[in-house]
Amino acid sequence: EPEVTQTPSHQVTQMGQEVILRCVPISNHLYFYWYRQILGQKVEFLVSFYNNEISEKSEIFDDQFSVERPDGSNFTLKIRSTKLEDSAMYFCASSTQGRVNYGYTFGSGTRLTVV
Amino acid sequence: DQQVKQNSPSLSVQEGRISILNCDYTNSMFDYFLWYKKYPAEGPTFLISISSIKDKNEDGRFTVFLNKSAKHLSLHIVPSQPGDSAVYFCAASAGDQAGTALIFGKGTTLSVSS
Repeated sequence: EPEVTQTPSHQVTQMGQEVILRCVPISNHLYFYWYRQILGQKVEFLVSFYNNEISEKSEIFDDQFSVERPDGSNFTLKIRSTKLEDSAMYFCASSTQGRVNYGYTFGSGTRLTVV
Repeated sequence: DQQVKQNSPSLSVQEGRISILNCDYTNSMFDYFLWYKKYPAEGPTFLISISSIKDKNEDGRFTVFLNKSAKHLSLHIVPSQPGDSAVYFCAASAGDQAGTALIFGKGTTLSVSS
């Protein structure tokens, strides 16, 4: 079964450093998403991306965050200057259609630890 | 601001019995609701969804009920199996347009014992 692949599975970075989280969505999917889950809290929406543009973003997704689809397969989330509170599990997701009721396919996540 | 609430952090059920997971929401603009299941070290997996124009949707052992007037939905798993042990997230969205954000609850950990 096709899956969303995220690398690395765990990343440790120093506060203030830039970090790039990578995702390879399912090949025929057109919509891409980033969510995050701080330990013990709910899964939170960050951003959605379609046709090389941001479709929707949350309040969390401020100027420190950016997304990019640099080629036909990868979808990245960049955090420019990491803070301790950015420590979380980051999930990439993709969908073949924009209809939420079909569900999105999530990757296994990247655990980001900011020290 | 918890727009989607799962008030029971955990639920324990015996194999073969019914599991009922509950979810409440506050935002009247939500019109699609979904349930996801999550195993440790994996991402959430889509289970079942329901539109606000329906009050029930069934898929095999999984049935979701929606009470729009009470802003409440529930997921029934019958019969429960040990492999169902996971964290279950309720999620909601306002519309089904491309890129719509899903708003998640905090999850309920289901443990099914054999």
